Amino acid sequence: KAGVTQTPRYLIKTRGQQVTLSCSPISGHRSVSWYQQTPGQGLQFLFEYFSETQRNKGNFPGRFSGRQFSNSRSEMNVSTLELGDSALYLCASSLRQGLAGRKTGELFFGEGSRLTVL
Amino acid sequence: DAKTTQPTSMDCAEGRAANLPCNHSTISGNEYVYWYRQIHSQGPQYIIHGLKNNETNEMASLIITEDRKSSTLILPHATLRDTAVYYCIVRSTTSGTYKYIFGTGTRLKVLA
Repeated sequence: KAGVTQTPRYLIKTRGQQVTLSCSPISGHRSVSWYQQTPGQGLQFLFEYFSETQRNKGNFPGRFSGRQFSNSRSEMNVSTLELGDSALYLCASSLRQGLAGRKTGELFFGEGSRLTVL
Repeated sequence: DAKTTQPTSMDCAEGRAANLPCNHSTISGNEYVYWYRQIHSQGPQYIIHGLKNNETNEMASLIITEDRKSSTLILPHATLRDTAVYYCIVRSTTSGTYKYIFGTGTRLKVLA
């Protein structure tokens, strides 16, 4: 089956602009989480969406936001971009049914969207 | 939220077992330990997870100490393709939500 798809793969923006990244989860997966990866900070949790509701949020400013649609696809938005927002943004999907199976909670990651802010 | 501590880097000879340690001394009773790895320029890949008991699958074995404060990922016969950054993660469940806290990762280099 198709994996997690993230678009765009690469993009360049300038300071002050805003950006929207898209993530299509694996079919049947209802949980989508977002991570920011930078060389200095490693992988940091941004937020998780399940059934169109944000379930948890990491320690990022309000410029970082997201949403999930009824088909489980998710978008994240970063407004007023800063140089420090340059990073690889990773999306992961999971079943997150919470009941059955040893695989519950396993994350499947996409290849990421690499954002460069100039 | 429990946090993890891992060595920054390790080397392992090809064909030998790679033992990657992880400390999670503040882990609570309902938190799972997950291991992922990330090969350069790719998204992280799931390896294995466990709660209390040791676990084994086709990729690796996970040994969790009895007090659950630390664990070790074992790659029994490391190959060059196992060169990657390995992340030890404690999966926190708070009010039914699932939040993964990644550690700094161990950069494993398998040497020919």
